[in-house]
Amino acid sequence: DAKTTQPTSMDCAEGRAANLPCNHSTISGNEYVYWYRQIHSQGPQYIIHGLKNNETNEMASLIITEDRKSSTLILPHATLRDTAVYYCIVSGETSGSRLTFGEGTQLTVNP
Amino acid sequence: GAVVSQHPSRVICKSGTSVKIECRSLDFQATTMFWYRQFPKQSLMLMATSNEGSKATYEQGVEKDKFLINHASLTLSTLTVTSAHPEDSSFYICSAFTSMADTQYFGPGTRLTVL
Repeated sequence: DAKTTQPTSMDCAEGRAANLPCNHSTISGNEYVYWYRQIHSQGPQYIIHGLKNNETNEMASLIITEDRKSSTLILPHATLRDTAVYYCIVSGETSGSRLTFGEGTQLTVNP
Repeated sequence: GAVVSQHPSRVICKSGTSVKIECRSLDFQATTMFWYRQFPKQSLMLMATSNEGSKATYEQGVEKDKFLINHASLTLSTLTVTSAHPEDSSFYICSAFTSMADTQYFGPGTRLTVL
């Protein structure tokens, strides 16, 4: 699986958009980009995933560059409850693919 | 979204005893379940991949005789930590894969403390 690079930490003001970047320059053509988050002492929560098109759901938007070497997770209106560690993971498309967690980005939403 | 439960949420046991942790997919069938371990201030580490009706595949460095995994149905997988020792104290998290969403959903985790 391709390796990802994320900033260690980010801050965001409550109510503003949070933009979390991720580099995955070695991604291959059949690998998806997944985003999960983990609030302290809880299991990871699925946010969104995509292959090459931009995706949006009720939680967030995922913007993937045309060359697929990087992506950005956008939380449009961050709240205090969005404070968590966000993981960007690249994984194969085959069913049941393993997820390899890196260190993620600690997002802190400030009042 | 899909719901995955774990039981118990927290367990404290004496050194040398065995502990069983259950992982259930509540509203979907999971052909594949995964078990992770997370130590304080570290990321999740995959321990094993479990397919229904077959033997689990363990990651390098994970002792299969110590961490017994059973995946007897499409909605239940169990992890048994045998002869637990203090160094096995950790946060154990399972996930279940659904082909309908091509996504893994995670349980809330089980905090194991071995005295």
